[in-house]
Amino acid sequence: AIRITQSPSSLSASTGDRVTITCRASQGISSYLAWYQQKPGKAPKLLIYAASTLQSGVPSRFSGSGSGTDFTLTISCLQSEDFATYYCQQYYSYPQGTFGQGTKVEIK
Amino acid sequence: EVQLVESGGGLVQPGGSLRLSCAASGFTFSSYSMNWVRQAPGKGLEWVSYISSSSSTIYYADSVKGRFTISRDNAKNSLYLQMNSLRDEDTAVYYCAREQVPAANTFDYWGQGTLVTVSS
Repeated sequence: AIRITQSPSSLSASTGDRVTITCRASQGISSYLAWYQQKPGKAPKLLIYAASTLQSGVPSRFSGSGSGTDFTLTISCLQSEDFATYYCQQYYSYPQGTFGQGTKVEIK
Repeated sequence: EVQLVESGGGLVQPGGSLRLSCAASGFTFSSYSMNWVRQAPGKGLEWVSYISSSSSTIYYADSVKGRFTISRDNAKNSLYLQMNSLRDEDTAVYYCAREQVPAANTFDYWGQGTLVTVSS
């Protein structure tokens, strides 16, 4: 099974900061990686798929990069509504895609 | 507007059964593959099961294989998850999620979730 390691597990940041979250796959997954945002008590929301394709309606301050085993989600200028938990998901091993452990972005 | 509304969660004893439902609206349900994804309290996300648009293809996570059954009724715009032989570790919020086209196995719409608690 493909393992996904997401880091950090949490981070503290201020509004306006640039934030980077990484995911590493245990084997190459090409660009079959997605990113989701989840706020407390809510369902996850798809932000990015195919490693770097922004989902419709998602602000352009979110971006994704990477291929193979190493991937990055960047929030270029953190807004108050961005404080949430972020998950990456590999979907190379369809349909048993696996999620990372999550990164909680908290207010500093 | 796309809407997915789950129901059927609750408290059940270990070894018991529960049937979850997901009512879909705002899109052509019969054209989309659907999934169940769960999240244990305070934990991450775990894919549970997949069903193709015509029900011809079905997959399960190893953790639920042989105990859970996914099905759908396209005439009723509804998705189901029959859960048998429930264990403590099945305690979670269960979400139904629409599979996006393209980028299969990514989920572009989710329901609000229904909580299943397995406890004696």
